[in-house]
Amino acid sequence: ETGVTQSPTHLIKTRGQQVTLRCSSQSGHNTVSWYQQALGQGPQFIFQYYREEENGRGNFPPRFSGLQFPNYSSELNVNALELDDSALYLCASSSVLTGIGEQYFGPGTRLTVT
Amino acid sequence: AQSVTQPDIHITVSEGASLELRCNYSYGATPYLFWYVQSPGQGLQLLLKYFSGDTLVQGIKGFEAEFKRSQSSFNLRKPSVHWSDAAEYFCAVGVTSGTYKYIFGTGTRLKVLA
Repeated sequence: ETGVTQSPTHLIKTRGQQVTLRCSSQSGHNTVSWYQQALGQGPQFIFQYYREEENGRGNFPPRFSGLQFPNYSSELNVNALELDDSALYLCASSSVLTGIGEQYFGPGTRLTVT
Repeated sequence: AQSVTQPDIHITVSEGASLELRCNYSYGATPYLFWYVQSPGQGLQLLLKYFSGDTLVQGIKGFEAEFKRSQSSFNLRKPSVHWSDAAEYFCAVGVTSGTYKYIFGTGTRLKVLA
């Protein structure tokens, strides 16, 4: 069974640029959630995707957007990057079929905005 | 409002000493509770979880946690700390508010003295 994978591991962007982060969910999982973990903070919920549609969003502006593909993998896109977007971005997958409960986290993508 | 509080930002213990990390949550329904550990520059590793049943939960690496509904607490304990336990620890509650997501505390950084 393959776990949650994320790419890239690290990247550096300049303020105002756009970035795309990728996540492959664990085998059998159809729901993907994204979290942002700023330095010294706990992760914060950005949004969740289920059946290729956004299924809930946290307190993040519209320049944070996402996609989910038929194979349940997902992308997080951030436009007009700001310095405060520097963070570890975590993807978590879960299965609606098994009910609510545990989400399985990937290793994260560390984004640095300069 | 739903929230998780970890009152201790930093804790220092000597190797071999016992450990207790505190976690209090605010959530109106039955909570799903989790403890994660994060080493520097790494993702989240699940230590243990509570969904229902026995309120004393055993996890990996010798950790345990006790759910106390009357106190809205889910404190993490370990009888004898090892130097390799030095890391950041996050308590999280799974909540259903439109969508199912985790709410994390701000973390407790554990330092272990040799």
